[in-house]
Amino acid sequence: EPEVTQTPSHQVTQMGQEVILRCVPISNHLYFYWYRQILGQKVEFLVSFYNNEISEKSEIFDDQFSVERPDGSNFTLKIRSTKLEDSAMYFCASGSGANTEAFFGQGTRLTVV
Amino acid sequence: GQNIDQPTEMTATEGAIVQINCTYQTSGFNGLFWYQQHAGEAPTFLSYNVLDGLEEKGRFSSFLSRSKGYSYLLLKELQMKDSASYLCAVRTNNNDMRFGAGTRLTVKP
Repeated sequence: EPEVTQTPSHQVTQMGQEVILRCVPISNHLYFYWYRQILGQKVEFLVSFYNNEISEKSEIFDDQFSVERPDGSNFTLKIRSTKLEDSAMYFCASGSGANTEAFFGQGTRLTVV
Repeated sequence: GQNIDQPTEMTATEGAIVQINCTYQTSGFNGLFWYQQHAGEAPTFLSYNVLDGLEEKGRFSSFLSRSKGYSYLLLKELQMKDSASYLCAVRTNNNDMRFGAGTRLTVKP
């Protein structure tokens, strides 16, 4: 069964460093998403991406964040100048249509020290 | 703003039926989703409602009333493995999907 894959599963980084979280969405999907979940808290929407551009972003997704689809398969989230409060699980998701369900990857646990 | 409200926690007995409610006030509406999330794992899709009424899928059913901004997820014949968080999510007109804080369900023997 097709699935969304994310790498790495765990990432530890020093405060102030840049990290890139990688995702391979399901191959025929056209809509891509990043979500964040701080331990014990709700799943928070960061950004949606369609047709090679951002279609919607939340108030969390400020200049510290960027997304890219560098080739036909990868979808990346870059976090610059990481802060302690960026520590969270980051989920990538993809969907086949604008109004269909999104399928989630297993997440990358980011720890900023 | 976007408000999606669910009870924080619920407890039910194995074999019973439980109803998890969700109310929402969002800037637009293009469908309501229910996801299940076990601790430390990714959310997995359960159901989708875009029109009013009941959608049934095995032991799980979901109901939507758009005029009331209300949905519920009904779980029948509860099993221990159903202990998890259940997340209500609304897709707005802007192609994002906003989640409620989730309802942590504990199923007891």
